[in-house]
Amino acid sequence: AQSVTQLDSQVPVFEEAPVELRCNYSSSVSVYLFWYVQYPNQGLQLLLKYLSGSTLVKGINGFEAEFNKSQTSFHLRKPSVHISDTAEYFCAVSDRRNNAGNMLTFGGGTRLMVKP
Amino acid sequence: DGGITQSPKYLFRKEGQNVTLSCEQNLNHDAMYWYRQDPGQGLRLIYYSQIVNDFQKGDIAEGYSVSREKKESFPLTVTSAQKNPTAFYLCASKSRREGLDTQYFGPGTRLTVL
Repeated sequence: AQSVTQLDSQVPVFEEAPVELRCNYSSSVSVYLFWYVQYPNQGLQLLLKYLSGSTLVKGINGFEAEFNKSQTSFHLRKPSVHISDTAEYFCAVSDRRNNAGNMLTFGGGTRLMVKP
Repeated sequence: DGGITQSPKYLFRKEGQNVTLSCEQNLNHDAMYWYRQDPGQGLRLIYYSQIVNDFQKGDIAEGYSVSREKKESFPLTVTSAQKNPTAFYLCASKSRREGLDTQYFGPGTRLTVL
């Protein structure tokens, strides 16, 4: 079984400032890692994913994340945020094994609030 | 254009009634999923289906039922046995052919029990 912890439920930040949203996971097996974004009253949109290869993953809207296996972390970063980045962000993991049902385990979410 | 649709966007139900939430996809995806979202709790898996005519319970299946008679459709019924059904419900799908675990989500249905 896996679990995902997003350490901050809310992150307020001023426009054009850098931001980091933290995600730690626990798993007894190898996992894939994902970040999704959710705007109010909408579904989830995939920001980026780590499957294999380079541990630094670049996604849409200028976001990137770094997989750190030793620290079991997958923190999301953006060097300069915009008002339009205000949303809820979810970190998720899934079991790499093909017979695992491809289910996602989500963290509790982090609400990013960008202020002018 | 391809995507996942959920209807209705908002749904109100009286206590004791069953309601069915629709989820349709035209992405030719094999697997489909239903999640429930409550404030501060992230998403929790209700049911999933990897192929037509087969589905499995997720973490919180009690009080819910599903069917998968067609590849494109995966309706969720919230029964009167579900004690606290007010929530935001999200449907997702995934291509087995892609070989990678990327789920794509619909816009959601907000269910409120009056």
